[in-house]
Formats: sequence, structure tokens, C-alpha cells
Amino acid sequence: GQQLNQSPQSMFIQEGEDVSMNCTSSSIFNTWLWYKQEPGEGPVLLIALYKAGELTSNGRLTAQFGITRKDSFLNISASIPSDVGIYFCAGYMEYGNKLVFGAGTILRVKS
Amino acid sequence: DAGVIQSPRHEVTEMGQEVTLRCKPISGHNSLFWYRQTMMRGLELLIYFNNNVPIDDSGMPEDRFSAKMPNASFSTLKIQPSEPRDSAVYFCASSLRWNTEAFFGQGTRLTVV
Repeated sequence: GQQLNQSPQSMFIQEGEDVSMNCTSSSIFNTWLWYKQEPGEGPVLLIALYKAGELTSNGRLTAQFGITRKDSFLNISASIPSDVGIYFCAGYMEYGNKLVFGAGTILRVKS
Repeated sequence: DAGVIQSPRHEVTEMGQEVTLRCKPISGHNSLFWYRQTMMRGLELLIYFNNNVPIDDSGMPEDRFSAKMPNASFSTLKIQPSEPRDSAVYFCASSLRWNTEAFFGQGTRLTVV
């Protein structure tokens, strides 16, 4: 089963709006990664977070590594049509070294 | 850098046949992951290797699945015999070492009829 709880499951927003999604777990993670996947392609890395409390930006994207090391969020500001896709959180578990993924957030943008 | 290279991109096979999926990780990367993606179960970690050694294969669904990494630049995922429920997209990913950014290939879409 899923070890990462990602929400929301999907979003349908107006172009220009800000977007926020998050991942939580009962387990501790050493690293959080955020990916975007488009149809027919593999997930593409957006942001990597390595320390609790770390806040990192990549253009209009901002992500944070939760203080408890059990959660992370991703914000997208001023969404545009090309932001459409599925966004995944992923994390390396503290024990077992596994890189596990959330179920994904489907983002649709109407222009 | 060519990125992670997977082959074939698409595979259609009959139930009962053996299927072999291939992956070439990014040069210099020491960790390699195999995932399966379906609508119902999302991205499932099947197995991962560190320095060519399988570390955890607890995600491999059945004995019909096996994976090898004979050297640092090549890995295979084999299904024998294949079944229709194995139909999915299989991804390979590699990272420089554990706990660092993982990069994905474009996947192999497997259809078992």
C-alpha cells in the first residue's frame, strides 16, 4: 500500500491561480523529491529537499521539507496551461533505503 | 548526458511468453530502481540495487519476476511466464547514490494479451 499520502487527488484550476499540494506519512524520510509526469513520459524531477525545514524554489515552484521529516508540500504560483500533468511526491525512507512514491496529484488548468 | 535509457519502449506479448525489459542507468550512478506504474496501484517500487547488488526485492510481486544487474551499466527485469495482469508501464531510475535525486527513463509499456 501507499506509504505516502498525497493530496489532493486532483485539481482543476483557473490559469493564474496558485496551487498547493502536500504529502504526509507516519514514517520519517531523509529526502523528499517532487516530480512531474506528462502522458507517455517518465517522471521528471522538479525539486529535491535534503534537510528538515528546507525551503527550495525552482522558478514558480516552491517546496518545503517538513520539520517533523514526515511531510512535504509543493506550491506552484501563477499557474499556466503547460503546468498540466501529474505531480508526485517521493521520499527515501529513513529505514530500508526505499524510494517510495505518493499516488499523485492530477493538475488541470483552464485558460 | 543521455539519461536513463530503457528498451523496448513498447512490448506486446502473448500470455505465457517470457519478457525481458532492459535499462541502462546514467553513467556513474550507483543506485538503480525498477518501478511498475498502473492506474490502480500507482508507482510501485519492485526492486532496487546499490553498486550492482540487489538491496530490497520485497516489491517483486511473484516469483515470475526477476531482476539482474550484471554490471554498473546494465540491468534487466524479466517476467516468465507473463500474464495479462502484468500489463503496465515499467520504469527504471538511477541515482548517484542512495538518498540523492533519482532520474527516470521513458519507460516500457508492456501489454500481455
